[in-house]
Amino acid sequence: EVQLVESGGGLVQPGGSLRLSCAASGFTFSSYWMSWVRQAPGKGLEWVANIKQDGSEKYYVDSVKGRFTISRDNAKNSLYLQMNSLRAEDTAVYYCARGLLWFGEFYFDYWGQGTLVTVSS
Amino acid sequence: SYVLTQPPSVSVAPGKTARITCGGNNIGSKSVHWYQQKPGQAPVLVIYYDSDRPSGIPERFSGSNSGNTATLTISRVEAGDEADYYCQVWDSSSDHPCVFGGGTKLTVL
Repeated sequence: EVQLVESGGGLVQPGGSLRLSCAASGFTFSSYWMSWVRQAPGKGLEWVANIKQDGSEKYYVDSVKGRFTISRDNAKNSLYLQMNSLRAEDTAVYYCARGLLWFGEFYFDYWGQGTLVTVSS
Repeated sequence: SYVLTQPPSVSVAPGKTARITCGGNNIGSKSVHWYQQKPGQAPVLVIYYDSDRPSGIPERFSGSNSGNTATLTISRVEAGDEADYYCQVWDSSSDHPCVFGGGTKLTVL
């Protein structure tokens, strides 16, 4: 059974940093793209970042470029999101999701339960 | 960047058919994926590549895509189908390649 379990969320002050983790199990982690998707309170889904199987390609939404870094450790079956210079508008539930890229089309077939990040003073 | 437009809400009586649309410029040339999100839960993939269903998703869920509109159809709607539904596309030519629609709240009357 595919499982994705996020951790690391919490309350942080504006300008602060936080590192999210996602522990994956039930599949060959190193064979899949992985992603972070967030959802602000009462709002819709927003893609944040993608990382290729070997970490050689990374993509970000414009609003987090230069502040967030996606990474992975295939030996530990883990995905990470380092978030720096956090802003109030980064407040959201952050989901880890497994991605499938096939002939130029990308979608998310499994999602974790999410971890809440609150940026507030 | 590419924009996907969904109606904020759709209401349907139990046993009837619900249709949730997702509009985008020439969306028929892209593959559309649909997610169901119940309150307090993570999204679940219900349709991928316009009309394919993952294992475990009831046949009552179907999808289509043509022209400027993709549609998620839920037949014989049940109370348990009440949820938010999001469409999603991947625009590889864009700096912002992954796009979600704003979501549609399905209410079962």
